[in-house]
Amino acid sequence: GEDVEQSLFLSVREGDSSVINCTYTDSSSTYLYWYKQEPGAGLQLLTYIFSNMDMKQDQRLTVLLNKKDKHLSLRIADTQTGDSAIYFCAESIRGYQKVTFGIGTKLQVIP
Amino acid sequence: DAGVIQSPRHEVTEMGQEVTLRCKPISGHDYLFWYRQTMMRGLELLIYFNNNVPIDDSGMPEDRFSAKMPNASFSTLKIQPSEPRDSAVYFCASTMREENYGYTFGSGTRLTVV
Repeated sequence: GEDVEQSLFLSVREGDSSVINCTYTDSSSTYLYWYKQEPGAGLQLLTYIFSNMDMKQDQRLTVLLNKKDKHLSLRIADTQTGDSAIYFCAESIRGYQKVTFGIGTKLQVIP
Repeated sequence: DAGVIQSPRHEVTEMGQEVTLRCKPISGHDYLFWYRQTMMRGLELLIYFNNNVPIDDSGMPEDRFSAKMPNASFSTLKIQPSEPRDSAVYFCASTMREENYGYTFGSGTRLTVV
């Protein structure tokens, strides 16, 4: 079945880059997502990438996909204290159907 | 649009009581999902609907859980009777087929069963 794995915790200093990694098992995954969850809130879609892409950049966010290794990463440039949150990696075959989420990586940004 | 609206935001109930969680999806979205979030298990898909019809309820943990979607703008998740292990944050999310770009989540209902 589908499985998405990511590390639980990452701590970085303000202004540094953050890199959050994720691996998934389903080779049929077509859509790969990064969601952000702030305390007491729902998940917010940050960005997504199609499986036929290697990279996607959106302002401070860079997503890298290695489809061969089923590895996805999210790089946040110039990390700010407002980036402190839990980041979820997720995958789906069809974006409007079942999405499988990882356990979430808690990003702590130290001022 | 006001987004996906869930109510209540917090619910504290005694073991054995019936609990009903409510969700209003974004207008025009034809897919609705119920997820449960716990520290131990992360986000688990409980059930999802397409055009008000349940498509996959394999994640519903037990017969104590039931979900309905009587119309395109309203869904409920009911737990009867509730147990302490049902304590979690329950999220509703919606999307539309044409988007393929993931879900819009509600703010969640934090359920505590004592």
